[in-house]
Amino acid sequence: EAQVTQNPRYLITVTGKKLTVTCSQNMNHEYMSWYRQDPGLGLRQIYYSMNVEVTDKGDVPEGYKVSRKEKRNFPLILESPSPNQTSLYFCASSPETGTGRQPQHFGDGTRLSIL
Amino acid sequence: DQQVKQNSPSLSVQEGRISILNCDYTNSMFDYFLWYKKYPAEGPTFLISISSIKDKNEDGRFTVFLNKSAKHLSLHIVPSQPGDSAVYFCAARRDSNYQLIWGAGTKLIIKP
Repeated sequence: EAQVTQNPRYLITVTGKKLTVTCSQNMNHEYMSWYRQDPGLGLRQIYYSMNVEVTDKGDVPEGYKVSRKEKRNFPLILESPSPNQTSLYFCASSPETGTGRQPQHFGDGTRLSIL
Repeated sequence: DQQVKQNSPSLSVQEGRISILNCDYTNSMFDYFLWYKKYPAEGPTFLISISSIKDKNEDGRFTVFLNKSAKHLSLHIVPSQPGDSAVYFCAARRDSNYQLIWGAGTKLIIKP
């Protein structure tokens, strides 16, 4: 089954404790992206990747890191999480190099709570 | 500054009637628009899209209308069904870097 898989689905942690949210897709997609969803703000892009070893900042990259060492994986790293990073996070992938016309396929989300 | 606005946080419609969801944008350089649907505890799924060179696109029960002069698009669902109850997001593509700007979403409730 074609899918985008995020782990963990839920996480409660404390300020400053490094964490990684994994994202994996099995559709051989070139483009991958991370979003955060906050009430009243919709989805905001954190980072995106057009291909392996190619990543770029989205609209809200501060406090986050990503890497794209393999095509299928695009982990999101919070080196020193803070309470303002409490949010619902989505990973997405798309078959083409991010022109925006091809629909993105989303994971089911990761709810992070930073205390 | 929200460039894509969905001003109705929620909308309630009787089953079988038409649902109309609205989206306004401020940036005239947006050239492609998409609607996504989201159920609780799931990620958004693509519904329908429209290019800025068109004013209407139809797919089954779903039709999207684009009014460029008013910077307004709408999604019509006819007839509305219980399974349409979800949050609907409007997204616009920036022609400069092809990234999407998303609205805050409208929660659609279909009443039996």
